[in-house]
Amino acid sequence: EAQVTQNPRYLITVTGKKLTVTCSQNMNHEYMSWYRQDPGLGLRQIYYSMNVEVTDKGDVPEGYKVSRKEKRNFPLILESPSPNQTSLYFCASSSIHTKNYGYTFGSGTRLTVV
Amino acid sequence: QKEVEQDPGPLSVPEGAIVSLNCTYSNSAFQYFMWYRQYSRKGPELLMYTYSSGNKEDGRFTAQVDKSSKYISLFIRDSQPSDSATYLCAMSVMNRDDKIIFGKGTRLHILP
Repeated sequence: EAQVTQNPRYLITVTGKKLTVTCSQNMNHEYMSWYRQDPGLGLRQIYYSMNVEVTDKGDVPEGYKVSRKEKRNFPLILESPSPNQTSLYFCASSSIHTKNYGYTFGSGTRLTVV
Repeated sequence: QKEVEQDPGPLSVPEGAIVSLNCTYSNSAFQYFMWYRQYSRKGPELLMYTYSSGNKEDGRFTAQVDKSSKYISLFIRDSQPSDSATYLCAMSVMNRDDKIIFGKGTRLHILP
């Protein structure tokens, strides 16, 4: 089944403790992206990647890091999480042919930073 | 003015009614117009997309784009309780690599 897999689905952590949210896609997609979704603010892009070793900032990159060492994986790293990073996070992927409209989203990671 | 505006709802309609969901936008460069559906505790999924102006129909769903008014709509005919979800409009500029702009979503409840 074609899908984007995120782990974990739920995570509670403490301020300052480094964490990684993993994202993997099995569709050989070139484009991958991370979003956060907050009530009243909608989906906001954190980082995106156009291919292996090519990443760039989205709208809200502060406090996050990403890497794209393999085509299928695009982990999101929070080096020193803070409470304002409590949110619902989505990873998404797209082929180069559908990059303007056709993203496949994962099921989300609900992160709580206390 | 925000790039994409969407009424958050909630919108409650009886089963079988026609639903109309709308978004306005300010950037005339947008060329792709999308509707994503998001069920509770799930990621958004692409419902329909339209390139440039016009209408597109897929079963009970019709997407309309009016570029002169910077206004897009999604119509759902014969609405079902399974249509209850949050609907996000989204837009992008062709050949831009970085960004699809999403509306904040409208929560829709179809009452049995």
